[in-house]
Amino acid sequence: DQQVKQNSPSLSVQEGRISILNCDYTNSMFDYFLWYKKYPAEGPTFLISISSIKDKNEDGRFTVFLNKSAKHLSLHIVPSQPGDSAVYFCAARGASGTYKYIFGTGTRLKVLA
Amino acid sequence: EAGVVQSPRYKIIEKKQPVAFWCNPISGHNTLYWYLQNLGQGPELLIRYENEEAVDDSQLPKDRFSAERLKGVDSTLKIQPAELGDSAVYLCASSLVRTGELFFGEGSRLTVL
Repeated sequence: DQQVKQNSPSLSVQEGRISILNCDYTNSMFDYFLWYKKYPAEGPTFLISISSIKDKNEDGRFTVFLNKSAKHLSLHIVPSQPGDSAVYFCAARGASGTYKYIFGTGTRLKVLA
Repeated sequence: EAGVVQSPRYKIIEKKQPVAFWCNPISGHNTLYWYLQNLGQGPELLIRYENEEAVDDSQLPKDRFSAERLKGVDSTLKIQPAELGDSAVYLCASSLVRTGELFFGEGSRLTVL
């Protein structure tokens, strides 16, 4: 039972353009959604999060959008840079005191110079 | 502020040998997690601590895995005996419940021969 899904295993984008990474979830009882970036041989690095009571959060080049009716989360990176090339994971935290974070399987982003 | 610290970064052992991983969370973070990450997959929860109490260990294979969190700060994850299928990256993470953000260490990569 995969509660958090990233259906695109990979994505290639030209430098300077927008990267859009998508994530779908099945459980309405999540209270926070997060995005992580992971380089090889390193641990996941926290990028940005959004509370379930909001629909948008922005931090520099990174914006996360939450569509609760569609149970869909997306990360926009504008403009994309070669250093953004990495694997991106979305995650969701269970509410009601469980505080269990469930991760998607990741999307590999390649930004072409 | 120091991040989550894990050691060792790499460990190679023969099957049936024991192994232990250590984690020091971010100061003040009362919640600590151990995750397992296999190649091409997202992190999967093994155990979650709130202070010194293991509040979710339902996915920890208790026949060979054990964990403890000393005085609600550092934590150790042990495997005894290790099997070939245990080869993976073991990630430690910590969080403050009220912020929703989860921070990972660099991970401990285990290779079982």
